[in-house]
Parts: sequence; C-alpha cells; structure tokens
Amino acid sequence: KQEVTQIPAALSVPEGENLVLNCSFTDSAIYNLQWFRQDPGKGLTSLLLIQSSQREQTSGRLNASLDKSSGRSTLYIAASQPGDSATYLCALNNAGNMLTFGGGTRLMVKP
Amino acid sequence: DVKVTQSSRYLVKRTGEKVFLECVQDMDHENMFWYRQDPGLGLRLIYFSYDVKMKEKGDIPEGYSVSREKKERFSLILESASTNQTSMYLCASSLFGDTQYFGPGTRLTVL
Repeated sequence: KQEVTQIPAALSVPEGENLVLNCSFTDSAIYNLQWFRQDPGKGLTSLLLIQSSQREQTSGRLNASLDKSSGRSTLYIAASQPGDSATYLCALNNAGNMLTFGGGTRLMVKP
Repeated sequence: DVKVTQSSRYLVKRTGEKVFLECVQDMDHENMFWYRQDPGLGLRLIYFSYDVKMKEKGDIPEGYSVSREKKERFSLILESASTNQTSMYLCASSLFGDTQYFGPGTRLTVL
C-alpha cells in the first residue's frame, strides 16, 4: 500500500526566502503526482500535476520535481510571500483515479 | 473554470439523524470523490464513483453510503450520524488520470 510522507510538518520562513517542501513515497509505480494548497477551513486547490513520465513542472514561482527511483518529489517556492502561507499537500495517483495524500506541510511566511 | 459546489459550509446534526451531504460539479467529470479530513489523520477517501450509479469503497466506508443518480451530482449519506463522524467533508471531481478539483468543504458537527 502506498505511503506518503511530508517533512517537515511545519515551516516558518521570512518573506523573500526560497524554500523547498519535501514529499516521499514508498511505491514508485505511480500514474502521476499532484501538489495541492489548502487554506485554513477551505478546500484544496490544485497547484501542479506531474505525470509519471515527467521530471518536473513549473507554474509561476512554483516548481515541482519528481524522482521515482528515489521515491521523492519536491515543491520549490521562489521568493516566498505572506500570501503563500497555507498547508501544502502532495498526493500520489497509483492507478489513474484514487489519490493517497501526505500529511501536509504547514507553511508560514512572515512579513 | 471548474466548479465543485457543496450544499453546506457548516452543518450541525444530532446523534442518530440521517444526514445528506450534496456535491455538484459542472465540468462533466466522470469521477467524483468524498473525503473526510481530520487533524493528525489527514485526508481519507470514503467513497468514489467513476460513473452514474457506480461506486467503490475507499479507505473508510463504514457508516456511510453514497448515491450518484446523475453525472454531475454525488451525495454522501450518513444513515445514523454519530459523534465520531464530526469532521470536515470534502468532495472532488476529475477526469480519468487528471487532477482532482475540490469543493469548499462541509464542516459537520454531530452532537
């Protein structure tokens, strides 16, 4: 059964810093990997989706990488802003439909 | 823009009541999902549906049932609500193998 781990569970950085969030998984036979953002009390917003055959995806200040051989993905956030404060979740899709979520990293960007 | 809506943002029910949570999506997605999210336990899949009148159990289906009579609507039913079903409930929809789009969530309290 797929297990997904996100470390650290919480992170606090000053505004403007570049940062990396980590996601590790146990089963590399994945269909795709997704990164989501969740604001307190709200639903999830999709940030990036990396297909199994891809190594990375970029959207604005966000870059996600995927290394299946080591069972790892990273989400890189450049020039962080207070508005980036949220919980970031990675999720693995093993069979085309269902997702297995990590526990999330709660990010606080201080002005 | 994909839109997933949920019938209530907040709901308070009493133990033993029958509870209906409704989810509607407007993008003709074949897949729809119900999750619950609890502190320390993360997001867990309750049920998923890949077509009208089709459903599959997720990780924690006990105490829940679902209904999908129309493609755009997926209902989660708590036959007899219990206090341990107090949680945040999130609905999502997707095309096969594509990103999941989430609704805003329903925070259910069972007294």
